[in-house]
Amino acid sequence: AQSVSQHNHHVILSEAASLELGCNYSYGGTVNLFWYVQYPGQHLQLLLKYFSGDPLVKGIKGFEAEFIKSKFSFNLRKPSVQWSDTAEYFCAVNLQGGNTGKLIFGQGTTLQVKP
Amino acid sequence: EAQVTQNPRYLITVTGKKLTVTCSQNMNHEYMSWYRQDPGLGLRQIYYSMNVEVTDKGDVPEGYKVSRKEKRNFPLILESPSPNQTSLYFCASSGRGTGELFFGEGSRLTVL
Repeated sequence: AQSVSQHNHHVILSEAASLELGCNYSYGGTVNLFWYVQYPGQHLQLLLKYFSGDPLVKGIKGFEAEFIKSKFSFNLRKPSVQWSDTAEYFCAVNLQGGNTGKLIFGQGTTLQVKP
Repeated sequence: EAQVTQNPRYLITVTGKKLTVTCSQNMNHEYMSWYRQDPGLGLRQIYYSMNVEVTDKGDVPEGYKVSRKEKRNFPLILESPSPNQTSLYFCASSGRGTGELFFGEGSRLTVL
């Protein structure tokens, strides 16, 4: 069965530190990849997405992610985090050509940024 | 403004008392889904709908029902709620072929 694994469950960083959150998926076919962010008390919002083309995608608020097909990975990065980045981050995978209503989510990573 | 609207946002109920959580989207999206979010488990899909009158089970459908009589609405029905259905519920929709989900604000349900 397809699955998404986020390696870090809870990350604590100081402001200005660099961030990398790992995401791996298990599926041999073509996928669409997403990172969603959930700020405290809010709903999930799209951070960035990858469908095809340049494997390095840029999203909102200075986030970027790199798709490495050979590693089945889609890691999220930000060079310098801010206190306002404190949130929960979810990686998600959708099978291309499949039912687009079914995103498979990772367990989520809680990021806490200390001022 | 494009949005997915859920109601109620907060609800405390008792075991066995039927309830419905409504979901409505104004983006003319074909796909709609319900997820529940529990600590340490991430988001798990309950049901999804590919279009009007087309619904299917997700990963955790037990104890839930859905219907899709209109394109914009996708209510979640708990016929006989139990305490293990205490959770945060999200409705989401997406356009055909995009895979990008738009989420509602969430409905926090407590079943006593």
